Amino acid sequence: KQEVTQIPAALSVPEGENLVLNCSFTDSAIYNLQWFRQDPGKGLTSLLLIQSSQREQTSGRLNASLDKSSGRSTLYIAASQPGDSATYLCAVKGGVNSGGSNYKLTFGKGTLLTVNP
Amino acid sequence: DTAVSQTPKYLVTQMGNDKSIKCEQNLGHDTMYWYKQDSKKFLKIMFSYNNKELIINETVPNRFSPKSPDKAHLNLHINSLELGDSAVYFCASSQGENSPLHFGNGTRLTVT
Repeated sequence: KQEVTQIPAALSVPEGENLVLNCSFTDSAIYNLQWFRQDPGKGLTSLLLIQSSQREQTSGRLNASLDKSSGRSTLYIAASQPGDSATYLCAVKGGVNSGGSNYKLTFGKGTLLTVNP
Repeated sequence: DTAVSQTPKYLVTQMGNDKSIKCEQNLGHDTMYWYKQDSKKFLKIMFSYNNKELIINETVPNRFSPKSPDKAHLNLHINSLELGDSAVYFCASSQGENSPLHFGNGTRLTVT
């Protein structure tokens, strides 16, 4: 069964620093990979979606990469701001061992990011 | 003009009761989901419907029954609530299998 691991579980950085969040998954036959942020007491907001055929996606100060063969993705945040403080979740969709469904999204446990002013 | 809306936001009830959570999306998406986030913040899929048809049904007790009257709505009914059902339940939607998911703000269910 597909398993998603995120490292580190928590990260605290000073404002302005560039940072990288890591995600790994066990079944590389994925359909896509998505990064989300979750603010306390709120739902998830989609940040970036990388198709299985793509290597990276960029949105503003965010850049996500995907190395399907090694089962890894990174989320790079440039010039971090206090407003970036949230939990960041990685999720992969599909996979041969995910029950055959391309609709099933498997989540990691997230990285809690704190950006200190 | 909330995209995915869930009601209620908070639900406190006693063991053994039956309760429902409603979800509506105004994005015109074909697929809707229910996810459960436990006390350790781990998100796990429960159900998914595509055009009102059930396509994912994870190992969930049959006390949980989803109902999709139309493709804009996916409600979750829970019978005989148990303490372990306490969690945050999220509804989500997407347009097909290769589009981002849009989540509601969650329903925090507390069973006492």
